[in-house]
Amino acid sequence: DTEVTQTPKHLVMGMTNKKSLKCEQHMGHRAMYWYKQKAKKPPELMFVYSYEKLSINESVPSRFSPECPNSSLLNLHLHALQPEDSALYLCASSQDRTSGHTDTQYFGPGTRLTVL
Amino acid sequence: AQRVTQPEKLLSVFKGAPVELKCNYSYSGSPELFWYVQYSRQRLQLLLRHISRESIKGFTADLNKGETSFHLKKPFAQEEDSAMYYCALSGFRSSNTGKLIFGQGTTLQVKP
Repeated sequence: DTEVTQTPKHLVMGMTNKKSLKCEQHMGHRAMYWYKQKAKKPPELMFVYSYEKLSINESVPSRFSPECPNSSLLNLHLHALQPEDSALYLCASSQDRTSGHTDTQYFGPGTRLTVL
Repeated sequence: AQRVTQPEKLLSVFKGAPVELKCNYSYSGSPELFWYVQYSRQRLQLLLRHISRESIKGFTADLNKGETSFHLKKPFAQEEDSAMYYCALSGFRSSNTGKLIFGQGTTLQVKP
């Protein structure tokens, strides 16, 4: 399996709802990422997990809560979101070798989130 | 500050014409540069990276440290090259969980 998968493909939620986005990879990668992408804009990094530990949090509001239950799975828990949080949420993974050049990131297809 | 600049939002060329998508960067240290491509309704995927010096789908890019540029070139554009192209810089130095800093992207439109 050489792909990053994300579920659901689309999600519509109200501002009081709690929902979760899921990401999975079976490439043996030990680094996983969440990005947010607004229409016609580049992806913006939100979180990085390295060996199941949170290594980067780009000052993301606490209504977004990441979780990495194991090396293959990455979740993003959503609570009390705002309409401006509507975007495409991308997951990515990379090998996270301990030395050498930056590893290539492999992206999932994204979850299209709409907050009403 | 770490920054990637893609000056053109849209580049429109005819099939068979040469293509050059511009990318300039600002970074103190040794940068790692990438080109990612997003075809319509497909996921973002790596096109090429400067350390591999490969030609992928006929595209090449040379890192010019003097001009701080990493322009993407192809001698003869094909209609299937139409896509959004992002130049990206890896700016995280202490591990390989590279924080990618993306440019604003250039839409390449290849007309028949």
